[in-house]
Amino acid sequence: GESVGLHLPTLSVQEGDNSIINCAYSNSASDYFIWYKQESGKGPQFIIDIRSNMDKRQGQRVTVLLNKTVKHLSLQIAATQPGDSAVYFCADPPSEGDSSYKLIFGSGTRLLVRP
Amino acid sequence: GAVVSQHPSRVICKSGTSVKIECRSLDFQATTMFWYRQFPKQSLMLMATSNEGSKATYEQGVEKDKFLINHASLTLSTLTVTSAHPEDSSFYICSARRPGNEQFFGPGTRLTVL
Repeated sequence: GESVGLHLPTLSVQEGDNSIINCAYSNSASDYFIWYKQESGKGPQFIIDIRSNMDKRQGQRVTVLLNKTVKHLSLQIAATQPGDSAVYFCADPPSEGDSSYKLIFGSGTRLLVRP
Repeated sequence: GAVVSQHPSRVICKSGTSVKIECRSLDFQATTMFWYRQFPKQSLMLMATSNEGSKATYEQGVEKDKFLINHASLTLSTLTVTSAHPEDSSFYICSARRPGNEQFFGPGTRLTVL
């Protein structure tokens, strides 16, 4: 993929509120996206993914929305908890035909949960 | 999910010394491993792609003679930072690719060069 970026570098939410983290991508050919969560001092962890043939996918307390028209995706976290405090990255995995297998990360959004 | 480990988790060394970081896939064979560097409050930047049994492919701007990568087996890749300097201080993260394109990340290694 090409560049993948985020709109907001830091998001502060009240515990119990919903969080929305946004991500824009530039490669219209991108067909698969992953959201990762990175806690302080740790490696990224897979949260949820979505393919381009879907516009919404739900997990446990998380929902990813994909708008291919404007090349935008978002991660929604319901009832945000202190344990959700982390940096969240969207990533554009390589297509099946891309033998480089390189993963391109967005710039990241830091989510701070206020007690 | 699959497990990827890194060792050491953190290391402090003197300027001019070399440091080796290991990345292991514990429960799967990884034909490809990746090394990333992450500076504070920044995203992960890919340094190189490590393929088992062949030379690593480095990203533009990454010095291959400074960051030596060896992928001797399907479960182990090592990154050696040679003649480390304070500007090499960073968080180094590896990932391993399982057949099917899934990538799993290690916990990272915090390198501090004095």
